[in-house]
Parts: sequence; structure tokens; C-alpha cells
Amino acid sequence: GIQVEQSPPDLILQEGANSTLRCNFSDSVNNLQWFHQNPWGQLINLFYIPSGTKQNGRLSATTVATERYSLLYISSSQTTDSGVYFCAVGASGTYKYIFGTGTRLKVLA
Amino acid sequence: EAQVTQNPRYLITVTGKKLTVTCSQNMNHEYMSWYRQDPGLGLRQIYYSMNVEVTDKGDVPEGYKVSRKEKRNFPLILESPSPNQTSLYFCASSFKGPDTQYFGPGTRLTVL
Repeated sequence: GIQVEQSPPDLILQEGANSTLRCNFSDSVNNLQWFHQNPWGQLINLFYIPSGTKQNGRLSATTVATERYSLLYISSSQTTDSGVYFCAVGASGTYKYIFGTGTRLKVLA
Repeated sequence: EAQVTQNPRYLITVTGKKLTVTCSQNMNHEYMSWYRQDPGLGLRQIYYSMNVEVTDKGDVPEGYKVSRKEKRNFPLILESPSPNQTSLYFCASSFKGPDTQYFGPGTRLTVL
């Protein structure tokens, strides 16, 4: 089945710094989403982005489907950005979803 | 308010005692799914449903059952829970399969 790898596994930033999180996948996909799991365990949609580029405030994402990766950019990070960031993909031709193991981000004040 | 709800939020039970975790969405979504989250393993899909009476296995279906008799509800059934099913469970829904998924608040299950 499709493999999803996220990097880095852990990231510590000073408030105000920028960061790039990466999601690699091993096969073609029909769906890619980025989620933020906050310290209370809630999963929050960030982007639905099977291809192309999107921006929402300080966050943006780019998926290059032909090269099988997606990037999540966080600019001017804030302590409220702390948590775990997951990418999840749906393999083409199926309705299954596969999650990466996440990037744990800690933003220090 | 558009939402996915799960009940109960917390449950402690004993091995072998059948239980059901309910999931309901009010967005008229066709696709619903169950995941479990375990430390170091991320989220893994248990079952999903494309529509009423249409369900299929995810990556970790063993020990679980589901049913989809109504569009809004997708209960997860553990007929004989075991300690290795201790986990955090999430229900999710989307308009159709390859689409934005919305997650419920999670159910923390402990099986003793």
C-alpha cells in the first residue's frame, strides 16, 4: 500500500520563526489534507490540497503530485501553533486514507 | 452548527464486554470513517463507509464492526474488546470520499 512519510519528526522553534514541514508519499493520490492536532487532541483541518498551492493567513501549502510530496509552511510562528501536524492521503482508485506519523512542533515564547 | 459528534468521550471497560461508540454528523455527508490513534503510530483507518449500507475495511479492521443504516450515523462496535484496543478513536466525515474530512472530538477508550 501507499506509504506516507513526514519530516522532521520533531521541531522546536522560537516564536516568530518560520518553518517548513514535508510530506512524501509513495504513489499517486486523489486526496491530500493537512491537519493540526492541538494539545487538547482536537484535529483541525488546515488544507485540502491534492495539488497546487493554497494560503490561509500565516499558513500555506504546496503539493507537487507528480513528484509525490507536499509542503506546509508556517510563517511567524506563535505558541498556539504548537501541536502535531499530520498529512493524510487518499490513494488513487481507493477510498482509504493513510496518515503520516506527524511532525511534533513546539513553539517557545 | 456543522459538526461531527461522538459518544461517549471517555470510556473505561473490561475485556469482553461489548460496547458501541456512536458517531453522528449533521452535514449530509456521504463518506464517514473511523480511525484509531496510538502513540508513535499516528492515525490508522479502521473502517469507512461511502454511503448508506456501503462499508469497507481500512487498514486495521480486526476486532471491530460497523454499520451504516442512516446517512448521519456510523457506529463503531467492539463485540469483545481486548486491552490492545485501548486507544483514542476518531470519527470523521466528508461530502464524498476524496474530499475535506471533518473530525469528531475523539473517544478515549481504556479496556482493562
